[in-house]
Amino acid sequence: QKEVEQDPGPLSVPEGAIVSLNCTYSNSAFQYFMWYRQYSRKGPELLMYTYSSGNKEDGRFTAQVDKSSKYISLFIRDSQPSDSATYLCAMSQNTGNQFYFGTGTSLTVIP
Amino acid sequence: NAGVMQNPRHLVRRRGQEARLRCSPMKGHSHVYWYRQLPEEGLKFMVYLQKENIIDESGMPKERFSAEFPKEGPSILRIQQVVRGDSAAYFCASSPPNLARETQYFGPGTRLLVL
Repeated sequence: QKEVEQDPGPLSVPEGAIVSLNCTYSNSAFQYFMWYRQYSRKGPELLMYTYSSGNKEDGRFTAQVDKSSKYISLFIRDSQPSDSATYLCAMSQNTGNQFYFGTGTSLTVIP
Repeated sequence: NAGVMQNPRHLVRRRGQEARLRCSPMKGHSHVYWYRQLPEEGLKFMVYLQKENIIDESGMPKERFSAEFPKEGPSILRIQQVVRGDSAAYFCASSPPNLARETQYFGPGTRLLVL
């Protein structure tokens, strides 16, 4: 079993839709949860990070962490064609600095 | 503030040759990480370095791969005697020391193709 599971999609939505992206994990030691956006043939770009459980909002993006369920989500409101990319979740522990990544979900927002 | 820089962006090598990948972290960042991304797979951690020190190399293959981050100059990921299975995108990331567990900023990657 992989430590971080993420549905690869692809996910296709119309412009303006609310997008929900999710990851599950098995390691209860994960304390930091990150979301990255990666455009084709580019490096991952850090969108948001949260510590432990709870919600965090930044503009059109909201990150949620439910540690009891080992489940994290990224919501994108009013999705735009420029949001079309692969979204990667990542996690890390209190000890060590290694990030554990999901395989990424490919999102296309159709104008 | 320039981001993480990697070069070359694309590298073609024949089997048995050496590949050298370079990474310059963001200004003020003292932590460097290398990850490998294979098609249809997520980013896999390889090694974590600080200046002149390898902190965690648990993700590095035991043979042919090495990394360094000298006092002066970029971090180098070196792959000796490359094989076709080494073909992948190699990403470098850097972080500031006080936010290392939640912020890693990635470079554009080096895409290695082994013929």
